[in-house]
Amino acid sequence: NAGVMQNPRHLVRRRGQEARLRCSPMKGHSHVYWYRQLPEEGLKFMVYLQKENIIDESGMPKERFSAEFPKEGPSILRIQQVVRGDSAAYFCASSPPGGAEAFFGQGTRLTVV
Amino acid sequence: AQTVTQSQPEMSVQEAETVTLSCTYDTSESDYYLFWYKQPPSRQMILVIRQEAYKQQNATENRFSVNFQKAAKSFSLKISDSQLGDAAMYFCAYRTSIIQGAQKLVFGQGTRLTINP
Repeated sequence: NAGVMQNPRHLVRRRGQEARLRCSPMKGHSHVYWYRQLPEEGLKFMVYLQKENIIDESGMPKERFSAEFPKEGPSILRIQQVVRGDSAAYFCASSPPGGAEAFFGQGTRLTVV
Repeated sequence: AQTVTQSQPEMSVQEAETVTLSCTYDTSESDYYLFWYKQPPSRQMILVIRQEAYKQQNATENRFSVNFQKAAKSFSLKISDSQLGDAAMYFCAYRTSIIQGAQKLVFGQGTRLTINP
């Protein structure tokens, strides 16, 4: 059973471009969470999704950020018109329904130049 | 809102010795989960140990154990017989148990642990 897969591992974007981060949860996991980690800080919750539904997006910036978890395919975190402050590591985690813990991917490091 | 505080940005210990990392949290809930995660330079978040708040017994996983003081809202991690591979950032995290299956975690700022050979 493969773990949570995130790609790409590293992503470089110029200011104003769009960034798309992908997360494939573990098999059998229908819950996906996105977190952001700024340098030398802990992870901050962004959004919690189930298949085709956003359950909790209380940590998402109001503008430029969106997330989806379609019926088929990976979850996508999309950042439009990136700025330097978006540079961070973005982690995805997944869990099964009723699961006691979430499993993390290795993260995507986004660098905005 | 729940908060998690790790007051030690950095800690170091001699190989084979014991070290304790501190964590305090604030919540009005009576039932919840607490975690310690390890993040080595590879960035992978690795679950070290988990504690359910309704359990009075402290969790233990091999060389890792916790001291859970619910009334004091304290959750420290003890690493015995420290090994070079234990060097990493350690994060304390809180999770509500109210919503079944929801893994929304609140993380502390982290403690960087160095192991001296």
